[in-house]
Amino acid sequence: QKEVEQNSGPLSVPEGAIASLNCTYSDRGSQSFFWYRQYSGKSPELIMFIYSNGDKEDGRFTAQLNKASQYVSLLIRDSQPSDSATYLCAVAFSGGYNKLIFGAGTRLAVHP
Amino acid sequence: GAGVSQSPSNKVTEKGKDVELRCDPISGHTALYWYRQSLGQGLEFLIYFQGNSAPDKSGLPSDRFSAERTGGSVSTLTIQRTQQEDSAVYLCASSLVAYSGEQETQYFGPGTRLLVL
Repeated sequence: QKEVEQNSGPLSVPEGAIASLNCTYSDRGSQSFFWYRQYSGKSPELIMFIYSNGDKEDGRFTAQLNKASQYVSLLIRDSQPSDSATYLCAVAFSGGYNKLIFGAGTRLAVHP
Repeated sequence: GAGVSQSPSNKVTEKGKDVELRCDPISGHTALYWYRQSLGQGLEFLIYFQGNSAPDKSGLPSDRFSAERTGGSVSTLTIQRTQQEDSAVYLCASSLVAYSGEQETQYFGPGTRLLVL
């Protein structure tokens, strides 16, 4: 059973702080990792994807991947109330096509 | 360009009735995916299409669920004899290709909210 695990939260951070979201996955051979943001009642929208070990930065967002430890994280710098949403980690497992297994999501609340 | 569209946006039906949910992928996207999201839950994979064929139907919860895709474009997810546990948001996503050596990003539609009474 291929699994993607996330802390459900809520993760509460003050405005301007760094929010750190974590995700672990079960298949060591997984190659591709995605972070989606989902506002309440809306569909998921892609924040970032990462394929290689290390950090990938895009604006206020940084994705971090450690394949040896089988975890991927998302850092949000200078958190804003508009970042309040559920963040979904998705993993494309090895040997397959583009079939994503999603974690249950972490709810982030940024308070002023 | 236009994104993924789905219809209807909301559907209320009675237990035992059949429903059809429609997905229009982004033009030119060859891969199409259906997911289900129950209240407060993550996304559950249902089925994947490459062109008109469905290489992976492993996520369909029962034989009451079926899907087809015609012309390499529009897809319809059909649920027969609906049950209350079928109530969920059904999300469709498309990607340019399914597997190109690197994964192609999936873009989601707005979803269909299904309520079975």
